[in-house]
Amino acid sequence: DAKTTQPPSMDCAEGRAANLPCNHSTISGNEYVYWYRQIHSQGPQYIIHGLKNNETNEMASLIITEDRKSSTLILPHATLRDTAVYYCIVGGSNYKLTFGKGTLLTVNP
Amino acid sequence: GAGVSQSPRYKVAKRGQDVALRCDPISGHVSLFWYQQALGQGPEFLTYFQNEAQLDKSGLPSDRFFAERPEGSVSTLKIQRTQQEDSAVYLCASSQGSAGGVKETQYFGPGTRLLVL
Repeated sequence: DAKTTQPPSMDCAEGRAANLPCNHSTISGNEYVYWYRQIHSQGPQYIIHGLKNNETNEMASLIITEDRKSSTLILPHATLRDTAVYYCIVGGSNYKLTFGKGTLLTVNP
Repeated sequence: GAGVSQSPRYKVAKRGQDVALRCDPISGHVSLFWYQQALGQGPEFLTYFQNEAQLDKSGLPSDRFFAERPEGSVSTLKIQRTQQEDSAVYLCASSQGSAGGVKETQYFGPGTRLLVL
């Protein structure tokens, strides 16, 4: 599976949009981009996934560049409860997830 | 409905002791996964079950680690002769269908934090 690169930490003001970047320059044509997050002392939680097109659900939006070498997870109106480690994962299926270190997003009041 | 539950939530063991960690997946979920998460790291895959069959155990770090799911529901991860390097959070996840489906979301439990002294 392709490797991903994420910034180790980011800050965001409550109520503002949080934009979390992920680089996956070695992604292959049949690999998806998955995002999970892990709130302190909890297990990871699925957020969203996509292949080529941008995706949106009740939690977030996923923007994938045309060359698919990078993507951005957008939390449109961040709240304090969105403080968590966010993992960007690339894989051919939702199996044997390979987590990196992720990005610690801190939402500040 | 109820999510994935794990017990105990915390376990302290003396080096050399055997431990058993339990996972109750979401009812009816076919797939079950175990992950190990060291402090400050992302979770790492240990093993995968499809119903009662253990189809992938490539992530188990040594033969001291053993997992089972005899009736295709509850699973137990057993660690024999625990070592200090086994200290970690052990996460269980389940998904509705067989693994390999792109849309098969994994639902994680809260984990068991194991500390080996």
